[in-house]
Amino acid sequence: DAGITQSPRYKITETGRQVTLMCHQTWSHSYMFWYRQDLGHGLRLIYYSAAADITDKGEVPDGYVVSRSKTENFPLTLESATRSQTSVYFCASSESSSGGYEQYFGPGTRLTVT
Amino acid sequence: DAKTTQPPSMDCAEGRAANLPCNHSTISGNEYVYWYRQIHSQGPQYIIHGLKNNETNEMASLIITEDRKSSTLILPHATLRDTAVYYCIARGYYKLSFGAGTTVTVRA
Repeated sequence: DAGITQSPRYKITETGRQVTLMCHQTWSHSYMFWYRQDLGHGLRLIYYSAAADITDKGEVPDGYVVSRSKTENFPLTLESATRSQTSVYFCASSESSSGGYEQYFGPGTRLTVT
Repeated sequence: DAKTTQPPSMDCAEGRAANLPCNHSTISGNEYVYWYRQIHSQGPQYIIHGLKNNETNEMASLIITEDRKSSTLILPHATLRDTAVYYCIARGYYKLSFGAGTTVTVRA
């Protein structure tokens, strides 16, 4: 099906472990984004990417690594997970960075770090 | 991005129109007004956006005041499935800045 998907949908990991969250979109959108949502903070931008091999930091990038070797995929890696990274992670994509182009969100990954 | 202000919550009767207000008094000329909603823990769902003119799509209508300092999202015939948190966002560039939003509860 066309759209934006995330995997896994739920993940429990231990402190210090590396974990990768996957995001895949079928629209060939240039821009992709990672947000996290925590109670009391709303959604905050972690990283974004303007195209394959082009990424940039958002508001809260510390502790995260991203890559984008293919336009359709934008994985987010927590190199050494911490409890403060327990959150719901949303991936989004957009045709353009211009304010006139909407972002479409995936269903989210609920990550728990124990 | 300009700050937006929304009421924290509102109720609406099923089948009636729901009018959600949003203030964005510091919005700049190149910032669009966006509305998203989030149902329970799902991903935010795009509803509508506009720059200056009023906009309508299959989900809702967006009314922007002439001075662009405020806007209203109208859900014409609210259903129970419209119960969600609605976010009004003033967006100029790549980032969407989500505030606390308005929790809308549609009652039968």
